Amino acid sequence: EAGVTQFPSHSVIEKGQTVTLRCDPISGHDNLYWYRRVMGKEIKFLLHFVKESKQDESGMPNNRFLAERTGGTYSTLKVQPAELEDSGVYFCASSPGRKVYNEQFFGPGTRLTVL
Amino acid sequence: DQQVKQNSPSLSVQEGRISILNCDYTNSMFDYFLWYKKYPAEGPTFLISISSIKDKNEDGRFTVFLNKSAKHLSLHIVPSQPGDSAVYFCAASPTGNQFYFGTGTSLTVIP
Repeated sequence: EAGVTQFPSHSVIEKGQTVTLRCDPISGHDNLYWYRRVMGKEIKFLLHFVKESKQDESGMPNNRFLAERTGGTYSTLKVQPAELEDSGVYFCASSPGRKVYNEQFFGPGTRLTVL
Repeated sequence: DQQVKQNSPSLSVQEGRISILNCDYTNSMFDYFLWYKKYPAEGPTFLISISSIKDKNEDGRFTVFLNKSAKHLSLHIVPSQPGDSAVYFCAASPTGNQFYFGTGTSLTVIP
């Protein structure tokens, strides 16, 4: 079974540009999460999809961030326009949602550097 | 405001000895706790969990202890092996979906 995949693995952009990160969850997993880790800090929750619906987006920093999950399969996270403080590693995770407490399976992350 | 804290950024342990990683939390609504292990350039992988109705959960060399009155969680690894060298994250959740993570503790097991 393939794990959670993320693309690209690295992205270097200039301040003001737009970047789109993609996450492909494990097939059949209804729950999809986005997290961010700024260097040396905690892994911070951004948002949670159940299928194509946003269940919780309380962690999204501001309206420069837009997440979508069309058709309830893969998800994209767009940052527009990017700022220096957006640099960090963006992790995606998925879980099947069959239990009350769901173990989340993480992807390898996308390292975003904003110059 | 950080609700899950791992106050030791790093820990070194001799192979074969016990590794103890600590985690403190502030939110009394947390009722499910996990430990994740992370190797460089990889995502975190699930290690072990515990719900608030228990105070201990064991899985092989890994044991997690929960002290609800102290809002403290610890992970014991015994015996420690060089392959255990990684960053360990503590995470907690009030709902089972949104997890709050600590900043991680980098464990080095010295052969």
